[in-house]
Amino acid sequence: EDQVTQSPEALRLQEGESSSLNCSYTVSGLRGLFWYRQDPGKGPEFLFTLYSAGEEKEKERLKATLTKKESFLHITAPKPEDSATYLCAVRSNSGYALNFGKGTSLLVTP
Amino acid sequence: DADVTQTPRNRITKTGKRIMLECSQTKGHDRMYWYRQDPGLGLQLIYYSFDVKDINKGEISDGYSVSRQAQAKFSLSLESAIPNQTALYFCATSDEGQLSNEQFFGPGTRLTVL
Repeated sequence: EDQVTQSPEALRLQEGESSSLNCSYTVSGLRGLFWYRQDPGKGPEFLFTLYSAGEEKEKERLKATLTKKESFLHITAPKPEDSATYLCAVRSNSGYALNFGKGTSLLVTP
Repeated sequence: DADVTQTPRNRITKTGKRIMLECSQTKGHDRMYWYRQDPGLGLQLIYYSFDVKDINKGEISDGYSVSRQAQAKFSLSLESAIPNQTALYFCATSDEGQLSNEQFFGPGTRLTVL
């Protein structure tokens, strides 16, 4: 059974203080690992898809990396507007749906 | 205009009532999904549909039913609502023809069952 575990559950950073969010996964053949951002009361917003170990993708202050067991979302010099819940999800080769982790709630203070 | 829309955005109802949540999309995607989100539990898949003639149960389908009226419309029904169905409900779409394979989510419906 596919499993996705995100850590930490919550993270508080000062503006400019870089850090990383972790997503550990077990899946029977990875078809894709997805990162989403979710603001309170809104739907998840797609950020990245990673397909194979060693792959990296960047968008503004965010960089996602992937190994065979986990993915990291690195946040460089975060700003208060980066505050949100970040969700990780995996899709296996044998399935059609996304299996989501519980998310990491990020708060960036000025 | 939003690519994936959901109606209503908020709904309060009573135990035993029948409720329908609607989803429409203008993305032209063939696949549509219904999820529910509870605090501390993450997103859980209720039903998904690959086209108007293909409906599949997700991990938590009990107490729910769906209808794919057209490629662009996918409705979720609670035949007899109960309090533990109080949650945030999301519709999503995807296009399997795209390499990126991601799902696009609507803004959500907040449902409260009293």
